[in-house]
Amino acid sequence: AQSVSQHNHHVILSEAASLELGCNYSYGGTVNLFWYVQYPGQHLQLLLKYFSGDPLVKGIKGFEAEFIKSKFSFNLRKPSVQWSDTAEYFCAVRENNRLAFGKGNQVVVIP
Amino acid sequence: DTGVSQNPRHKITKRGQNVTFRCDPISEHNRLYWYRQTLGQGPEFLTYFQNEAQLEKSRLLSDRFSAERPKGSFSTLEIQRTEQGDSAMYLCASSIRGDLSSGANVLTFGAGSRLTVL
Repeated sequence: AQSVSQHNHHVILSEAASLELGCNYSYGGTVNLFWYVQYPGQHLQLLLKYFSGDPLVKGIKGFEAEFIKSKFSFNLRKPSVQWSDTAEYFCAVRENNRLAFGKGNQVVVIP
Repeated sequence: DTGVSQNPRHKITKRGQNVTFRCDPISEHNRLYWYRQTLGQGPEFLTYFQNEAQLEKSRLLSDRFSAERPKGSFSTLEIQRTEQGDSAMYLCASSIRGDLSSGANVLTFGAGSRLTVL
């Protein structure tokens, strides 16, 4: 079975600061990786995904993630955050026909 | 609204009562998933269906839990003899079966049904 580790569960930063959220998974084969976001009071939404090809994946709202196979990592980044990026972020990896999620990162952006 | 719909959104019940949640997936999606999410945790997989067939169940799904998808469209998740530890958000998601380029494995989530057991 795979597992997903997310670090720094609570992140507080100011607007315009850069954000990087770490995600590590444990699996040596072909992986499909995802970041989902949950804004306050809203449902989980797909932010970006990696299936194959270019390891640098661009998602919505200026987010990107880099798949580094040698490090079993899929870190999420945004160069300049906005107050509206306040949300919980979940990394997920495909296990057969379902997704396994990490515990999430609660990100608070201070105006 | 063509997204995933879940009802009820909130349910408060007393310990020992039975509760049932309903999920209506996106109409063209043939896979349907149930997850559970508690505070400070990510979604935990419970079970999934492909059409009407229940293909996988997590060990988290005790005997008190049962899920059905009788006609391959909507699904119900029933919890019998609820316990306080069942308090959580129950999430439904759907996806299409197919190759990765067609969007398979991309789960679309509903807003969830929050259960509080007193």
